[in-house]
Amino acid sequence: EVQLVQSGGGLVKPGGSLRLPCAASGFRFSNAWMMWVRQAPGKGLEWVGRIKSKTDGGTIDYAPPVKGRFSISRDDSKNTLYLQMDSLKTEDTAVYYCSTSSHWGQGTLVTVSS
Amino acid sequence: DIVLTQSPDSLAVSLGERATIDCKSSQSVLYSSNNKNYLAWYQHKPGQPPKLLISWASTRESGVPDRFSGSGSGTDFTLTISSLQAEDVAVYYCHQYYSALWAFGQGTKVEIK
Repeated sequence: EVQLVQSGGGLVKPGGSLRLPCAASGFRFSNAWMMWVRQAPGKGLEWVGRIKSKTDGGTIDYAPPVKGRFSISRDDSKNTLYLQMDSLKTEDTAVYYCSTSSHWGQGTLVTVSS
Repeated sequence: DIVLTQSPDSLAVSLGERATIDCKSSQSVLYSSNNKNYLAWYQHKPGQPPKLLISWASTRESGVPDRFSGSGSGTDFTLTISSLQAEDVAVYYCHQYYSALWAFGQGTKVEIK
């Protein structure tokens, strides 16, 4: 069974940092392209970024609102995807999801507030 | 960057009736070398992660009821729910994975009339 298990959310002050892990199981993680998607309160889904598999070049792309502040990485030896979020802003408050496109994590809430 | 615009923003449909959602892309998402449209449809209910319904514009995912269908090519796409059921109340999103920067449409809320 494919599972994506997320952790690491919480409350952080503006300008702070947070790292979100996403632990994968039930499929060949190293071959998967992975993405992060968020949903701010009362808003729609917003694509955050995507990392390709290493065999496909490992290219990482980010949505303009987070480029330069967020960083996506993967540890294929641990079957884990990461989202490093720095210089957080109040507008980054959202539920964050990791996804293979067909399978999704349960989501984790990140609240940026003083 | 490719922008996806859905219409309408919301619609109310009677049980058993047809619901149609359109998605227009600012650029073609049809890759000519394989003749595939890099467009998907998701269903999102409150408190749950999104669910993939349709990929490649018209390929229904395993386990998705056949009342859901996707059509279109290039820049214009449609999700059709042929006979709306109570459990279909949700927000529906189109999603392009053609360009380097992926994107979602703004969403269409489907309710029961």
